[in-house]
Amino acid sequence: EADIYQTPRYLVIGTGKKITLECSQTMGHDKMYWYQQDPGMELHLIHYSYGVNSTEKGDLSSESTVSRIRTEHFPLTLESARPSHTSQYLCASSEGYGHEQYFGPGTRLTVT
Amino acid sequence: SQQGEEDPQALSIQEGENATMNCSYKTSINNLQWYRQNSGRGLVHLILIRSNEREKHSGRLRVTLDTSKKSSSLLITASRAADTASYFCATDARSGYSTLTFGKGTMLLVSP
Repeated sequence: EADIYQTPRYLVIGTGKKITLECSQTMGHDKMYWYQQDPGMELHLIHYSYGVNSTEKGDLSSESTVSRIRTEHFPLTLESARPSHTSQYLCASSEGYGHEQYFGPGTRLTVT
Repeated sequence: SQQGEEDPQALSIQEGENATMNCSYKTSINNLQWYRQNSGRGLVHLILIRSNEREKHSGRLRVTLDTSKKSSSLLITASRAADTASYFCATDARSGYSTLTFGKGTMLLVSP
């Protein structure tokens, strides 16, 4: 079982609210990733991090932001949630680029 | 553009039968990985095959890689109901600091 955690698992929130999805890993991995996945669809990379104080945008444009102040923590923030943000958000980490990625259980977000 | 494309999109078999899923990709790779995702959960890494390898086994899993055709296949032998999940291939493109690119996945249903 991978030591990567996401909270909350499920979140239903109204339009316009600010939300932060938490992701933590205890494996000491430098590389961390956020993916967005709609039901039955592929994963889209929205943010990734090389290490502390480094963040990059992924392939899919996203209105969310991320921070990496500590190695083990990679939170994702939506300043103003909209119904179009309804999706599943998966966090992952890896020892290096191209290495196997360890995934958290995901946060299923619904914006009403 | 999508790097990995799985085929078929969905597969339904009986317990005990073998399941074969295919993945095609477009650019040169360092390695190709297969992941499993149970409904609504995070992904779990199954197997990694490097570009200089042609075949790899892990338990009931057999993965082949044909770099000349830019394709890979995942074979699950003697399938079980517990193998019911979505299976994704992911490629590590040979382009410096790369991240994994996931395909759209094959949904496998194994009936008792």
